[in-house]
Amino acid sequence: GAVVSQHPSRVICKSGTSVKIECRSLDFQATTMFWYRQFPKQSLMLMATSNEGSKATYEQGVEKDKFLINHASLTLSTLTVTSAHPEDSSFYICSARTGGIGNQPQHFGDGTRLSIL
Amino acid sequence: QKEVEQNSGPLSVPEGAIASLNCTYSDRGSQSFFWYRQYSGKSPELIMFIYSNGDKEDGRFTAQLNKASQYVSLLIRDSQPSDSATYLCAVNLRTGFQKLVFGTGTRLLVSP
Repeated sequence: GAVVSQHPSRVICKSGTSVKIECRSLDFQATTMFWYRQFPKQSLMLMATSNEGSKATYEQGVEKDKFLINHASLTLSTLTVTSAHPEDSSFYICSARTGGIGNQPQHFGDGTRLSIL
Repeated sequence: QKEVEQNSGPLSVPEGAIASLNCTYSDRGSQSFFWYRQYSGKSPELIMFIYSNGDKEDGRFTAQLNKASQYVSLLIRDSQPSDSATYLCAVNLRTGFQKLVFGTGTRLLVSP
């Protein structure tokens, strides 16, 4: 159980393109989803926390107008990187958690490797 | 002081040995603790979680929690080359109730 699906797995596109990444919980309802990015040889960096039906909470330094998050249902959250530039190239990973309290584990999707040319 | 600290390694152990991975955290009120394994180029996968002081065993893995000393550890018995990965410690801090804070990870190398 607790399977999280993330698509696409890899994106290569030109600078200025907007890219949408989907994160789905397949066998459970996720009241909270999280978006991370990870640069090579570095640890996970939390970008934002997404609660179903409400606005996402962004971490300090993350531009909410550039990284649009929508959590429209209990099984789907999307991250849109608007007008992507080469410095946005990274590994983006979503996770989902069951329940409304923080002590439940997060389950991760397979990640999306984004390369902006 | 970082909120969650891990030795970056690499920790090298021979096949069949016990690998011991350690993690310390700063917030004494932290409630829940998680170990994730991350292979190079892949996303993290949950190995174990622990909430109470003491040991929790699952197969070859044992998580140990000592809240008084503010450390959590992961033991891997009978280590295999396939266990070679980066192990991330994550803590649900009281002050950041919703989110997990991750350590930078310890790279484990198991040699045949």
